[in-house]
Amino acid sequence: DTEVTQTPKHLVMGMTNKKSLKCEQHMGHRAMYWYKQKAKKPPELMFVYSYEKLSINESVPSRFSPECPNSSLLNLHLHALQPEDSALYLCASSQTSYEQYFGPGTRLTVT
Amino acid sequence: AQKITQTQPGMFVQEKEAVTLDCTYDTSDPSYGLFWYKQPSSGEMIFLIYQGSYDQQNATEGRYSLNFQKARKSANLVISASQLGDSAMYFCAMSRNYQLIWGAGTKLIIKP
Repeated sequence: DTEVTQTPKHLVMGMTNKKSLKCEQHMGHRAMYWYKQKAKKPPELMFVYSYEKLSINESVPSRFSPECPNSSLLNLHLHALQPEDSALYLCASSQTSYEQYFGPGTRLTVT
Repeated sequence: AQKITQTQPGMFVQEKEAVTLDCTYDTSDPSYGLFWYKQPSSGEMIFLIYQGSYDQQNATEGRYSLNFQKARKSANLVISASQLGDSAMYFCAMSRNYQLIWGAGTKLIIKP
């Protein structure tokens, strides 16, 4: 089973809202990732958690706040976003530093 | 610096024909991994195939094969007997620690 699940599938939020994206995997993977992807572009890495600790933060603005409550769950808390933050947000997991398995993504629209 | 180059922004292919998607890479690391992902319009990024730098044989997964030419630093994806469902964006990527270095992608459209 190589399934990574993400909720919600779609999200529309205003610039003053607070919302959260959720990601879950039950493959026993020890690394989890958040990516942001704009249309027709490759994904851009945002955060990496390894063994439930934040190991990489690609200089992401503080209005994005990741959280890893346990080895299976990864959240991305959103607050005071800008319209340019509208994108597809992808979660991924991997057992090693090699192949990553992605979830279906959350399409975020900031109004 | 590590880099992935995909020179084909878009391709049109007749159904049932074989397809080759080009990917070249640049790295000075002796150990690396190369990946191909498929992204349909639905958005999900689907892992297709992996090739390790020390692997002697080309990777294959069903209709997908990776034509790995180490001296030329190329890792082309070959799809045999293309199907309408193969229409998607295809990304080549290379691993570095826990990060993936991505190519710009190739949009493949299969014509009936």
